[in-house]
Amino acid sequence: SQTIHQWPATLVQPVGSPLSLECTVEGTSNPNLYWYRQAAGRGLQLLFYSVGIGQISSEVPQNLSASRPQDRQFILSSKKLLLSDSGFYLCAWSALQATGGIGNTIYFGEGSWLTVV
Amino acid sequence: GENVEQHPSTLSVQEGDSAVIKCTYSDSASNYFPWYKQELGKGPQLIIDIRSNVGEKKDQRIAVTLNKTAKHFSLHITETQPEDSAVYFCAASVYSGTYKYIFGTGTRLKVLA
Repeated sequence: SQTIHQWPATLVQPVGSPLSLECTVEGTSNPNLYWYRQAAGRGLQLLFYSVGIGQISSEVPQNLSASRPQDRQFILSSKKLLLSDSGFYLCAWSALQATGGIGNTIYFGEGSWLTVV
Repeated sequence: GENVEQHPSTLSVQEGDSAVIKCTYSDSASNYFPWYKQELGKGPQLIIDIRSNVGEKKDQRIAVTLNKTAKHFSLHITETQPEDSAVYFCAASVYSGTYKYIFGTGTRLKVLA
């Protein structure tokens, strides 16, 4: 079965410090990978998605970046965090090849709580 | 751009009553509509989904309906229980070279015992 892991689960970082959140998927190959952010009491905002190694699409211009160095690894980074970067970050995956031309189920990790102070 | 609107933002029901959450999507090409339940501090968990080639799907106490003409879909929970209390999100697929998923803003459901 497929599993998704992301870490760290929680972190508190000062303004201006760097960020690295990591996500890995097991039990599948060539997944689509996604990073979402959830601000306190808010919905899920798509930040980045990737269809393959080195292929990153950005949805929201900001001081965050994403990388996919390996097929099942997705990393969210920042060189200098802002207070507004605080939130709950969720990594997710779906099967790359849609069956019958219809979207596939998307599965989420357990999330990473980021507090920028 | 693509958008999914979700209502209501909060919903309180008595245990045993039914709960209905409604979503409207903007992209007429959307063809996959999942619903997620999120408990505090955890990642969203898929509870039911529907594809555009069907109008209704049911799984025990949970059902989802889809009206493609009106571009809206709804989640129905019958015989609600306290453990149904959580935040529920709807989503719609959007295709731009691959599938991405746009989420509604969530509904906080409280089931009162």
